[in-house]
Amino acid sequence: KQEVTQIPAALSVPEGENLVLNCSFTDSAIYNLQWFRQDPGKGLTSLLLIQSSQREQTSGRLNASLDKSSGRSTLYIAASQPGDSATYLCAVISNDYKLSFGAGTTVTVRA
Amino acid sequence: EPEVTQTPSHQVTQMGQEVILRCVPISNHLYFYWYRQILGQKVEFLVSFYNNEISEKSEIFDDQFSVERPDGSNFTLKIRSTKLEDSAMYFCASSPGLAADTQYFGPGTRLTVL
Repeated sequence: KQEVTQIPAALSVPEGENLVLNCSFTDSAIYNLQWFRQDPGKGLTSLLLIQSSQREQTSGRLNASLDKSSGRSTLYIAASQPGDSATYLCAVISNDYKLSFGAGTTVTVRA
Repeated sequence: EPEVTQTPSHQVTQMGQEVILRCVPISNHLYFYWYRQILGQKVEFLVSFYNNEISEKSEIFDDQFSVERPDGSNFTLKIRSTKLEDSAMYFCASSPGLAADTQYFGPGTRLTVL
């Protein structure tokens, strides 16, 4: 069974600092990995999707890397802003076509 | 930009009652999903649906749950006899394809069972 772990569970940084969020998964046989943002009491907003054949994906200030063989992904957020405060979730699709989620990293960016 | 919508946003029900949660997936998507998130816990997969039948389901998705696509636009999750432990946020998602495509999530329905 696929297990997804996210470290750290929470992170607080001053505005302008770069953010590094880590995700690891136990079964490297994945189709893709998706990063989501969740605001309190709200739904999930897809940020980036990395196919299993890709090493990284970029969108604006966001960059996600994937090392499938070691079961790791990292989400980098450059020049953080208070509006980036949210919970960031990592999820992988494995052979069973089900998205398996991590518990998330809750980010607070202080103005 | 097209989005997944869900109704109601909040549903309160008594234990043992039936509830139906509704979703309108993105119109040209072919795969539909339900997930749930119990407060403070991970988002969990419940079921996937394609071509008017269940593709995959988790061990959570037992006989008290059912899904249906009653018309060309709606996708519903029915819980036959709700239990206290069914209280959670329920998310609907859709994707153009199965494994390789982004899943787009709705805003969720918060179900409270009293």
